[in-house]
Amino acid sequence: AQTVTQSQPEMSVQEAETVTLSCTYDTSESDYYLFWYKQPPSRQMILVIRQEAYKQQNATENRFSVNFQKAAKSFSLKISDSQLGDAAMYFCAYRSAAGTASKLTFGTGTRLQVTL
Amino acid sequence: GAGVSQSPSNKVTEKGKDVELRCDPISGHTALYWYRQSLGQGLEFLIYFQGNSAPDKSGLPSDRFSAERTGGSVSTLTIQRTQQEDSAVYLCASSLEERVYRATETQYFGPGTRLLVL
Repeated sequence: AQTVTQSQPEMSVQEAETVTLSCTYDTSESDYYLFWYKQPPSRQMILVIRQEAYKQQNATENRFSVNFQKAAKSFSLKISDSQLGDAAMYFCAYRSAAGTASKLTFGTGTRLQVTL
Repeated sequence: GAGVSQSPSNKVTEKGKDVELRCDPISGHTALYWYRQSLGQGLEFLIYFQGNSAPDKSGLPSDRFSAERTGGSVSTLTIQRTQQEDSAVYLCASSLEERVYRATETQYFGPGTRLLVL
């Protein structure tokens, strides 16, 4: 079974600074996807970024980028130029690419606080 | 277009009562998932439906939990004889899976139903 570990329960960053959230995972599969989701107080899970395991290039979405280290099974999220609206819970998630559909396996989340 | 919607937004019930939670996926999405988020926890998979295939019920915690998806669209999660440990946020997600042998698509989530069992 796959597991996802987020070792930072809480992180804090000053506005306009950069912060990195850590995520490691364990799997025996070679074909899979990794995701970062953001959950603000509204509860809505919002996709931040996704990475295909077969791609060596790290995914980027505007101020968000990942450092995907497949051999190390590490998938960290970097948020540049942090904004107050980035404050939320961030969940790392794993999904197998096998089959017609598959569940997401989540980490326990990192609460990000953004200060002035 | 409209996103995933869930109802009710909040539900308070008494221990032992049955509850039904509803999910309307994004139109045209073939796969539908239910997750549970207990206080301070990550998300726990419950069940998913994909097209006409048999649902994957491997995450359901007990036989008090069941779900159905009618007409390939709306889904209802039913919890019978609710217990206090069932209190959680129940999240629904959907995705458009078009490939037969490969799950490629992103799951989009609804706002969840917060269930409180007294």
